[in-house]
Amino acid sequence: QVQLQESGPGLVTPSETLSLTCTVSGASITGQVYFWSWTRQRPGKGLEWLGHIYYSGTTAYNPSLRGRLSMSLNTSKNQFSLKLTAVTAADTAVYFCARADYSGKAPDYWGPGILVSVSS
Amino acid sequence: DIVMTQSPVSLAVSLGERATINCKSSQSVLYSSNNKNYLGWYRQRPGQPPQLLIYWASTRESGVPDRFSGSGSGTDFTLTISSLQAEDVAVYYCQQVYNTPWTFGQGTKVEI
Repeated sequence: QVQLQESGPGLVTPSETLSLTCTVSGASITGQVYFWSWTRQRPGKGLEWLGHIYYSGTTAYNPSLRGRLSMSLNTSKNQFSLKLTAVTAADTAVYFCARADYSGKAPDYWGPGILVSVSS
Repeated sequence: DIVMTQSPVSLAVSLGERATINCKSSQSVLYSSNNKNYLGWYRQRPGQPPQLLIYWASTRESGVPDRFSGSGSGTDFTLTISSLQAEDVAVYYCQQVYNTPWTFGQGTKVEI
């Protein structure tokens, strides 16, 4: 059974960097058919795709984040990570990691989500 | 960016009745090389992550009850819940995975 679990600080200071990790079990992040993605949901709002990373390290990011976002893989721990720089209160959200399929199947396995608040 | 527009914004349906949600994309999400629409539907209950119900516009995800069905192609899609159950009270989203940035509809709230 595939499982994903987000981890990281629940509180980040404005202008600092938000760092989250997603630990995957039941599937290898080096599998060549999967994208590993991040999506967020601001309080009371809809879903916003942030980006994804492929097993090769190739990434795609949402241009709305204006170059503040980066993603990486840690194959030895079967984890992938997100870094969002220069955060503001607008980055307060629940962050979800998820697995998508290269065949065009929408993300099927999701982590439970982690609430990150940006506040001084 | 591909803009996804859902309608209605909210919907009240009696238990056992049919619910229909529409999703329109600003450009086609039909991938010509495999004739698949890169469109998924999700149910999100309060405090939960999205749950994939339908992918490729009309293929039901494993374990999803058969009261959920998806239809449409190109730019116009529909999610139908044939007989609404109490556990279907949720917000429903469509998402295109045809082009990055992958984009979601704004959501449709389904109530009893």
